[in-house]
Amino acid sequence: GAGVSQSPRYKVAKRGQDVALRCDPISGHVSLFWYQQALGQGPEFLTYFQNEAQLDKSGLPSDRFFAERPEGSVSTLKIQRTQQEDSAVYLCASSQTGGGNEQFFGPGTRLTVL
Amino acid sequence: GQNIDQPTEMTATEGAIVQINCTYQTSGFNGLFWYQQHAGEAPTFLSYNVLDGLEEKGRFSSFLSRSKGYSYLLLKELQMKDSASYLCAVRGNAGNMLTFGGGTRLMVKP
Repeated sequence: GAGVSQSPRYKVAKRGQDVALRCDPISGHVSLFWYQQALGQGPEFLTYFQNEAQLDKSGLPSDRFFAERPEGSVSTLKIQRTQQEDSAVYLCASSQTGGGNEQFFGPGTRLTVL
Repeated sequence: GQNIDQPTEMTATEGAIVQINCTYQTSGFNGLFWYQQHAGEAPTFLSYNVLDGLEEKGRFSSFLSRSKGYSYLLLKELQMKDSASYLCAVRGNAGNMLTFGGGTRLMVKP
């Protein structure tokens, strides 16, 4: 595709519900990143994939957060038993490789937990 | 740990020049990025510095001093559409993820 796409763009969940957020990276991009962005703040790193391998998940805030990229393309970020503090914009980014290549960001999914 | 500081807000006049500063203290350094983010939209790449000096790209320039842990983004001939948040981000040695500052919200006034 032309850019990184994410779905849904907006998600409202009741506290305790599970949610799944999808990211379609730019075709051929090896690296995929998930970030969490609170209102008025910069993005914060959650996890990183190279192809299907999850190389770094140090930013996941709790074991309720889980990410996968089984075929090295589309990725899903799952949040179990959502809490109000999970409300944020979840951004996905992809890049061709590591090194100096820029990361291209998707439009994000705005999650609101009531 | 990682610490990246940039001003929270700045205001400038259309047609003027503005400089947005960023200081960083990180465990390792493998490049500094500037992104622009309009409200409700994705961050878009502006510039990348890995060596000391100035990188110029049209109306936007970015400077890096690794010894001082300092960068700035320079915007010339400001336009109203430049009103946005500007994010400074550093890539450390421990992987390819970016550590972002809190962003500088720039308001351009007529």
